[in-house]
Amino acid sequence: QQQVKQSPQSLIVQKGGISIINCAYENTAFDYFPWYQQFPGKGPALLIAIRPDVSEKKEGRFTISFNKSAKQFSLHIMDSQPGDSATYFCAASLSGNQFYFGTGTSLTVIP
Amino acid sequence: DVKVTQSSRYLVKRTGEKVFLECVQDMDHENMFWYRQDPGLGLRLIYFSYDVKMKEKGDIPEGYSVSREKKERFSLILESASTNQTSMYLCASSLPGVNIQYFGAGTRLSVL
Repeated sequence: QQQVKQSPQSLIVQKGGISIINCAYENTAFDYFPWYQQFPGKGPALLIAIRPDVSEKKEGRFTISFNKSAKQFSLHIMDSQPGDSATYFCAASLSGNQFYFGTGTSLTVIP
Repeated sequence: DVKVTQSSRYLVKRTGEKVFLECVQDMDHENMFWYRQDPGLGLRLIYFSYDVKMKEKGDIPEGYSVSREKKERFSLILESASTNQTSMYLCASSLPGVNIQYFGAGTRLSVL
């Protein structure tokens, strides 16, 4: 059973637009929700993360919105750039020792 | 910077061969993980280890085994490779209780 559900599987956005990727989880014991970014030929790398006691976290053009009651969280990329084209994974962590990943979203930003 | 190094970027093997995928990390991390990545399925955990000589099964351990003789090295073993094990394999490491995993660049394995 998929612990973290992610959508959409792929996303095409115009340069300057907003990219939105959504994730949902079931286990309320999860205590950390990171997003990873993966470029072709590279391993995933941590992009931004949030704890469940915070509703929003922003780092530059990247924002996580977190809805604890709905058990959903999303990544927003403002002013999307071609260099943002990558695969994005949401994840949930349990006490920093167990990690569960979404199925990934392939983002393409067209000039 | 944390570095997780996977010994091979690309491997081509024959069905039935025994395959070793090696992973080394240089940050003294106790936790190490092996995932496989397939389109539409995301990252699926094969095995993980919280300490030397310790291993735990993940979500899809069938057909795989692991070895951790030294803290910095975690090996994934395909005892008898099959075509359905063609995939991208990712190794990761982390400190206990710390919510960040560091990934290697991956090994793309093709089993013919």
